Amino acid sequence: SQTIHQWPATLVQPVGSPLSLECTVEGTSNPNLYWYRQAAGRGLQLLFYSVGIGQISSEVPQNLSASRPQDRQFILSSKKLLLSDSGFYLCAWSTGQDNSPLHFGNGTRLTVT
Amino acid sequence: QKEVEQDPGPLSVPEGAIVSLNCTYSNSAFQYFMWYRQYSRKGPELLMYTYSSGNKEDGRFTAQVDKSSKYISLFIRDSQPSDSATYLCAMASSWGKLQFGAGTQVVVTP
Repeated sequence: SQTIHQWPATLVQPVGSPLSLECTVEGTSNPNLYWYRQAAGRGLQLLFYSVGIGQISSEVPQNLSASRPQDRQFILSSKKLLLSDSGFYLCAWSTGQDNSPLHFGNGTRLTVT
Repeated sequence: QKEVEQDPGPLSVPEGAIVSLNCTYSNSAFQYFMWYRQYSRKGPELLMYTYSSGNKEDGRFTAQVDKSSKYISLFIRDSQPSDSATYLCAMASSWGKLQFGAGTQVVVTP
């Protein structure tokens, strides 16, 4: 069966520090991978998605970037965090079709101080 | 106007009652409809996945889609305190990405 791992679960970082969140998927090949941010009461905001190694699409211009160095690895990064980057970050995977359901990891709660 | 509208709640019901959740949408091209359950500090978990109109039942959960009214529902029978969570609807067209509702917080009181 497929599993998705996301770490760390919680993170507290000062403003201006770098960020690296990692996500890996097991039990499937060539998944679509996604990074979402969830703010309280505001639903899920799609940040990045990837249909293959090295292929990244950005949905929202911002202080973050994403990379996919391996088929089942997705990384969310920032060179300098802002206070507004605080939030709950979720990684997800799906099969190749856009309308297929997403399967989420357990998220990283990031607090920028 | 948001493409998907969902009342944030909270919706409080006594244990054993039926929980009724719904979402409305504006894009008539949506054909795929999903419901997710999210416990506090966890990622959303897929509950139901339906295509086009009609009903789908899975244990205590029933999902309904009314495309003519652009309205989807999730019913939870015999609710339990463990059903307390946030429920998110999501939908997509045959070519577009998933669009999520903001989620409804449900509290089932013993």
